[in-house]
Amino acid sequence: QVQLVESGGGVVQPGRSLRLSCEASGFTFSYFAMHWVRQTPGKGLEWVALISSDGARKHYADSVKGRFTISRDNSKNTLYLQMSSLRDEDTTVYYCARDLGVPGSPLDHWGQGTLVTVSS
Amino acid sequence: QSVLTQPPSASGTPGQRVTISCSGSSSNIGSNAVNWYHQLPGTAPKLLVYSNNQRPSGVPDRFSGSKSGTSASLAISGLQSEDEADYYCAAWDDSLNGNVFGTGTKVTVL
Repeated sequence: QVQLVESGGGVVQPGRSLRLSCEASGFTFSYFAMHWVRQTPGKGLEWVALISSDGARKHYADSVKGRFTISRDNSKNTLYLQMSSLRDEDTTVYYCARDLGVPGSPLDHWGQGTLVTVSS
Repeated sequence: QSVLTQPPSASGTPGQRVTISCSGSSSNIGSNAVNWYHQLPGTAPKLLVYSNNQRPSGVPDRFSGSKSGTSASLAISGLQSEDEADYYCAAWDDSLNGNVFGTGTKVTVL
């Protein structure tokens, strides 16, 4: 079955960097676009970034543009989110999610999430 | 910040029908498909409806989606206690060049 497992979360100081990983299994990873979505506990969902199946196309939310970089390694079935210049407001749970591949980019499988806390 | 607006809460008794609205604009709902997710406390969101009105396999037909112009709605018929969750709409936004989520609606089963 499809599994997405995030890792790399933790406590980091403001202004520092952190890299999240999302290991995929149970499907042909290289066929699917992937997303990162975040959610502050008790609050709503915020889309963060999208990468196409071949990694050629990337899109970012304005709130992270220029600071976060999404990438993937299809040989390792792994999605990444490199986060730099972290701010207090980046403190949240980060989910990776698979794009179903139809118009509208529905996200049909999600990981369990990894918590990032930005604090001095 | 959320671009799609939903009512903060909705409720009903078991067996009732509940409808959740999602209001957007021409750059998102008006020109792209709408997806719906629900999220139980402490768990990841789950896709409920995609492409306005399609259900992934395993989602009961009690859940149905529709879209008209720049608004969409999710209907839950035959409300059950396990439907108590947070519900989010989402759509691609052509102006922002990214996905946008709704503000979320908490459904309570009375």
